[in-house]
Amino acid sequence: EADIYQTPRYLVIGTGKKITLECSQTMGHDKMYWYQQDPGMELHLIHYSYGVNSTEKGDLSSESTVSRIRTEHFPLTLESARPSHTSQYLCASNNGGLNARNTEAFFGQGTRLTVV
Amino acid sequence: AQTVTQSQPEMSVQEAETVTLSCTYDTSENNYYLFWYKQPPSRQMILVIRQEAYKQQNATENRFSVNFQKAAKSFSLKISDSQLGDTAMYFCAQGTSYGKLTFGQGTILTVHP
Repeated sequence: EADIYQTPRYLVIGTGKKITLECSQTMGHDKMYWYQQDPGMELHLIHYSYGVNSTEKGDLSSESTVSRIRTEHFPLTLESARPSHTSQYLCASNNGGLNARNTEAFFGQGTRLTVV
Repeated sequence: AQTVTQSQPEMSVQEAETVTLSCTYDTSENNYYLFWYKQPPSRQMILVIRQEAYKQQNATENRFSVNFQKAAKSFSLKISDSQLGDTAMYFCAQGTSYGKLTFGQGTILTVHP
């Protein structure tokens, strides 16, 4: 199994609450990513980071924010959760580089978020 | 910009038979990589197979092999001797040396006993 961890695995929370989804990896990867995925559907990149203090918005607009203060940690925060945020959130990491083995992304187990 | 297209939303196959999942991509990069990922129901996304675009030889991993047609920008996955555990959603992805991967829409594969 890959050394990338997401917590919590499942979260049910009320509208308006602030939540933080945790993602940590122990592989020393420079690059980390957050994807949003509805059940049985495609992945949408919402945030990525190429290193400490570097964050970028992805292809899909999201009301969430991210931070990258440490290499191994890439948390995602929703300041005020809404039912439209209900989805699965997947965290991934890799190094990038001059071969496919370095570019291969490793995924966490995901957080399934339900906002009621 | 990169795009990846999987035109088969769902596929099914009988156990022990062979199935091929299609993928096409578009990129302006000269150096890139292609991947197939597997996402079993409620389980972690894992890599099935990888291919460097500069290699002409098709990658193989046990029962999994690819047919990489660079000129046609096609990267199909063949699963031989299908097993029940192969039931999953399969994603084709393309990446560059920067690291960011672009994923296709996914194909749900069901293996029937």
